[in-house]
Formats: sequence, C-alpha cells, structure tokens
Amino acid sequence: GAVVSQHPSRVICKSGTSVKIECRSLDFQATTMFWYRQFPKQSLMLMATSNEGSKATYEQGVEKDKFLINHASLTLSTLTVTSAHPEDSSFYICSAPQGVGTEAFFGQGTRLTVV
Amino acid sequence: AQSVTQLGSHVSVSEGALVLLRCNYSSSVPPYLFWYVQYPNQGLQLLLKYTTGATLVKGINGFEAEFKKSETSFHLTKPSAHMSDAAEYFCAVLNAGGTSYGKLTFGQGTILTVHP
Repeated sequence: GAVVSQHPSRVICKSGTSVKIECRSLDFQATTMFWYRQFPKQSLMLMATSNEGSKATYEQGVEKDKFLINHASLTLSTLTVTSAHPEDSSFYICSAPQGVGTEAFFGQGTRLTVV
Repeated sequence: AQSVTQLGSHVSVSEGALVLLRCNYSSSVPPYLFWYVQYPNQGLQLLLKYTTGATLVKGINGFEAEFKKSETSFHLTKPSAHMSDAAEYFCAVLNAGGTSYGKLTFGQGTILTVHP
C-alpha cells in the first residue's frame, strides 16, 4: 500500500514553545491530508482537514490559531502546535487518502509531551 | 451523519480461540467500512476494507469481516488467535462524498488481549 511518513515519532518540549510535525506522502500525491488527535485509551478524533494550496478546515472546538496547518505541496502537510501547554500532550496522527473512495493511509504518529 | 459503535472496549481470548470484535455503523448512504489495527505508540495499519461487491472480505493476518446491511454490522473475526494479535482495533466508516473523501469516523476502539 501507499506510504505516509510522519516525523518526529516522539517529541518533548517545554511549555510555551512550538512544535512542528511533518506528514509526507512518499509514493503518491495527496491533495488532502487529515490530522487526528488521540488521547490515552481513547479513539482518534479528527482535528482538521489539510488541503493543498488552500486553508485547512478545522473541526468544531479545535483552535486554528493554536494548531497551525500548512499544506504547501502535494506531498507534505505540517501541523504546528503553538505555545504548547501540558494539556496538548497527546498522540497526533496524520493520514492521506490515495484517491476518491479509498482508505486513508496513516503516518506512524507523533507522541508529544509538553513539560 | 455517520457513526460507528464498537461493542466492548476490551476483549480477552485464549491463544487459538476465535476472535470476534463487534462493530455497528450508522450511515445514510452505502458505507465504505474499514478495520484498522494499532500497536502501542504506532500509527494505524489497515486490516481490511469493504467498499462494494462481496460482503465477506478477507484481510491481512488471517482476519476477515462480513458486511451485513440488514444488521448494519461489520464484525471482525479470526478463527484462531495468536499472541501477536494483541493490539487495539478500530472500526471506521468513510465519510461519504463531497470534498471530505478520505475522512474517517472511528469507533471507540477495542483492545484485544490474548492469553497463552
């Protein structure tokens, strides 16, 4: 299947700093990518839809100024957690569908810990 | 709106026993359904999917699932559990149409434990 690469896999940062997470589609072009957040022992919750060349669409309750998404090319989307706080500590996962009506391929996830 | 319900947050089986993980969905249009597996601190790996055609779909690692429209179900089964099957399993439905293709709605997840 298609490959989606997400980096870093783990990051620890101090409160108040910003962290950037990258999501790349390695062998296909992704006009759309999705960013999910997963709290411990919970399911994945969609945060936002990243669209190449246009603004991201955020789900209700997600602060767009805190979670900055950039989808500058057909193979790369980034999520920047700005002014991170301990409550932002979570597992973040990106995904990208290869085409209409197909499943999404997932990155490996990023474990963010804010101290 | 679409939704997915996984019955049972934890399932425990003995090695060699049948695995049955339950999933029911709600969708206003014919659904595309998926099962994913997640190992600790890792992303999700696709086990199998149903889009159209045969209602019994086979996936990787010996898993299969049957789409039953009348029951709005897509239960995941495996005849004989292996220790390596211990993980968390998510059922998901694909968002129908529009510009949101590829957007998935997930169930709550089921943690499978396999005992020796």
